[in-house]
Amino acid sequence: DVKVTQSSRYLVKRTGEKVFLECVQDMDHENMFWYRQDPGLGLRLIYFSYDVKMKEKGDIPEGYSVSREKKERFSLILESASTNQTSMYLCASSSGGSPLHFGNGTRLTVT
Amino acid sequence: GDSVTQMEGPVTLSEEAFLTINCTYTATGYPSLFWYVQYPGEGLQLLLKATKADDKGSNKGFEATYRKETTSFHLEKGSVQVSDSAVYFCALTSGNTPLVFGKGTRLSVIA
Repeated sequence: DVKVTQSSRYLVKRTGEKVFLECVQDMDHENMFWYRQDPGLGLRLIYFSYDVKMKEKGDIPEGYSVSREKKERFSLILESASTNQTSMYLCASSSGGSPLHFGNGTRLTVT
Repeated sequence: GDSVTQMEGPVTLSEEAFLTINCTYTATGYPSLFWYVQYPGEGLQLLLKATKADDKGSNKGFEATYRKETTSFHLEKGSVQVSDSAVYFCALTSGNTPLVFGKGTRLSVIA
């Protein structure tokens, strides 16, 4: 079974802090994605990566950056956290045209 | 760009009732269509998929048929259970583009 692991289930940070959300997958998938999930808005794509050291902006990249130094790890970085980044963050991976496999999510609260 | 519209929730049903969650899409080309389910406290998991017109995806008693003429992929189940309570997301991808999700429909099934 594919396992996508997000390092934190819950996170509370202060406004202006630099925040790292980590995601690791164990199936050698080349594709990795970061979404945020908000009530009434569904899932919105922040960034994605189709290969190591490669990244592409999704629909809402402002205020975020990503890092993919190793194939299995895809990090989402909030350079200076703001209250409007309070959300559920979901990481996912896939290979080729296979369906996405999701982690359980990180609920981030920025105060 | 590509988009997915699904019926707004929440939907509340009694056990053994018939379920339909509507989903329509707009896409260039010939997308693949998916239904994902999110149980409380978990990430999303694939429920079923269809990759070409008239295909029927099915899993766990749920079904959806890819209707190109009406650009729809409605989710149905003949007899819901309390354990089906979750949020359901319709999604599509065209070629190798990232998945585009609908806003989700929350289903509550009461005994």
